[in-house]
Amino acid sequence: GAVVSQHPSRVICKSGTSVKIECRSLDFQATTMFWYRQFPKQSLMLMATSNEGSKATYEQGVEKDKFLINHASLTLSTLTVTSAHPEDSSFYICSASSGLEGETQYFGPGTRLLVL
Amino acid sequence: AQTVTQSQPEMSVQEAETVTLSCTYDTSESDYYLFWYKQPPSRQMILVIRQEAYKQQNATENRFSVNFQKAAKSFSLKISDSQLGDAAMYFCAYTGNTGKLIFGQGTTLQVKP
Repeated sequence: GAVVSQHPSRVICKSGTSVKIECRSLDFQATTMFWYRQFPKQSLMLMATSNEGSKATYEQGVEKDKFLINHASLTLSTLTVTSAHPEDSSFYICSASSGLEGETQYFGPGTRLLVL
Repeated sequence: AQTVTQSQPEMSVQEAETVTLSCTYDTSESDYYLFWYKQPPSRQMILVIRQEAYKQQNATENRFSVNFQKAAKSFSLKISDSQLGDAAMYFCAYTGNTGKLIFGQGTTLQVKP
């Protein structure tokens, strides 16, 4: 399967600071990337969908000014958690696909964010 | 709206035995795709198997196979000859014309030696 990397794998930051998470598709062009949030022992919750070169589409209840998503190229999408607070602590996972109907999403290894 | 339901929060199987994980879904779409993903303790999501709804033949991948019952909207995963490395959380997922994945609640599989 295709390979998706995510960086950093783990980050600890102080409340009020911003954190950027990168998601890269290493061996294919990802027209569409997705960002998820996952709490322990729960399912994945879709936060937003990003298409290369256009604005991200956010799911209901997700603050777009707090979770900034940029998909500047076919291999890179970034999620910036702005003014992070302890309640933003979570596991964030990205996935990438070619954007074709029914195409498989390939997932990054995830980023564990802890806000103190 | 589409939904995916996994009614078994936890399952256990003896090593080398067979186990079946259940998944049902609800949709009004005619074209869609179904997936099983595995999430081991590392939390890396790994694709296990994929099924196109228009295909009647059940997908298989080595020890993993599905029982796809389109009329019943059921998509169960059978793991044969279970191995210790199969221990993980398994998610059933649906995608239709939006391209978004809709996940079930997950089933934690324990494999006993």
